Amino acid sequence: AQTVTQSQPEMSVQEAETVTLSCTYDTSESDYYLFWYKQPPSRQMILVIRQEAYKQQNATENRFSVNFQKAAKSFSLKISDSQLGDAAMYFCAYIWGGSRLTFGEGTQLTVNP
Amino acid sequence: GAVVSQHPSRVICKSGTSVKIECRSLDFQATTMFWYRQFPKKSLMLMATSNEGSKATYEQGVEKDKFLINHASLTLSTLTVTSAHPEDSSFYICSARDLDRDQIGPQHFGDGTRLSIL
Repeated sequence: AQTVTQSQPEMSVQEAETVTLSCTYDTSESDYYLFWYKQPPSRQMILVIRQEAYKQQNATENRFSVNFQKAAKSFSLKISDSQLGDAAMYFCAYIWGGSRLTFGEGTQLTVNP
Repeated sequence: GAVVSQHPSRVICKSGTSVKIECRSLDFQATTMFWYRQFPKKSLMLMATSNEGSKATYEQGVEKDKFLINHASLTLSTLTVTSAHPEDSSFYICSARDLDRDQIGPQHFGDGTRLSIL
């Protein structure tokens, strides 16, 4: 069974600094997709970034980038130039083929002014 | 982009009442929708997969008779919490995939329903 592990229940960062959120997963598949979702206090689920496993190049979306290590089954999210609006719960998620999304337990990110 | 609308956003009702939550895909057809439950500061827990025109697939431990799911059209799935009790109070979120636009994810989420049973 696929599992997603986020080992950091809470993280904090100073405004304008960089923070990295960790995520590891377990799968026997070779072609799958990984996502980071953001859930602010409004509880709306917002897609931050996605990575296709067959792509070696790490995905980047403005201040958000990932470090995808397929062999190590690691998928960390780096947030650069952190802003107060980045404060939220962040969920790492995995999907393969027609299966459903498997979420990690989440990391609560606090951004300090 | 694709949008999923969930209604209502907040429900407060008395114990024993049945509550219906709607999930609509606004600009795409969704043969499959998903219903999640989320406790405070916890991850999303998949309750069931809603399939258009057929029975929903429930996750282990989810009571089918308590959480009725109907997916009568390609754009609408409903979750009915029957005879709700305080322990059913939670945040419920639906999602759908636009398979015509993207074969593999991401799932598009509704804004959620906060259910409070008094």
